[in-house]
Amino acid sequence: EIVLTQSPATLSLSPGERATLSCKASQSVSSYLAWYQQKPGQAPRLLIYDASNRATGIPARFSGSGSGTDFTLTIRSLEPEDFAVYYCQQRSNWPPLTFGGGTKVEIK
Amino acid sequence: QVQLVESGGGVVQPGRSLRLSCAASGFTISNYGMHWVRQAPGKGLEWVAVIWYDGSNKYYADSVKGRFTVSRDISKNTVYLQMNSLRAEDTAVYYCARDPTYFYDSSGFFDFWGQGTLVTVSS
Repeated sequence: EIVLTQSPATLSLSPGERATLSCKASQSVSSYLAWYQQKPGQAPRLLIYDASNRATGIPARFSGSGSGTDFTLTIRSLEPEDFAVYYCQQRSNWPPLTFGGGTKVEIK
Repeated sequence: QVQLVESGGGVVQPGRSLRLSCAASGFTISNYGMHWVRQAPGKGLEWVAVIWYDGSNKYYADSVKGRFTVSRDISKNTVYLQMNSLRAEDTAVYYCARDPTYFYDSSGFFDFWGQGTLVTVSS
């Protein structure tokens, strides 16, 4: 099973700042990595798939990069609605599909 | 528009069974793989099961293998998760989610999610 480790666990930032979230895989997942955003009481929402492709309707301030074992989700300039928990997920070698433990982006 | 609505959650005693439903609209489940993903209270996401677009394959997480069964009814455009021998650690919000690949093997990620249904296993 591929283990995904996200860091930091919590990121405290102000609106307008840049957010950089990390996801590291226990073995190569090629580019088969997705990112999701989850707000309290809501279902997750797909942001990025295959490491760098924005899902339909996702603003351009969200970008993904990386391949192999190291991935990054960048939010260029945080909007108030971006404060949430973000999860990475791999589909390289499945089943099982696996998720990282999440990074909470909170208002500083 | 694509919509997924889960139902069937509730409080159940350990060892008992429960069946969750996921009613889809805006697309036909016979064209897409469908997944179940769960989230224990205050915890992260855990993939549970998938049923292929044509029903030919079903896969499960080790934590539920042999206890949970995923199925579907094309006529009702609904996917089910039959959960037997429930344990306290199965307590979670259960989401159904669509795999984005059309009429082919599941890609393994999720483009649409339902709002979830809470299952609480407690005596």
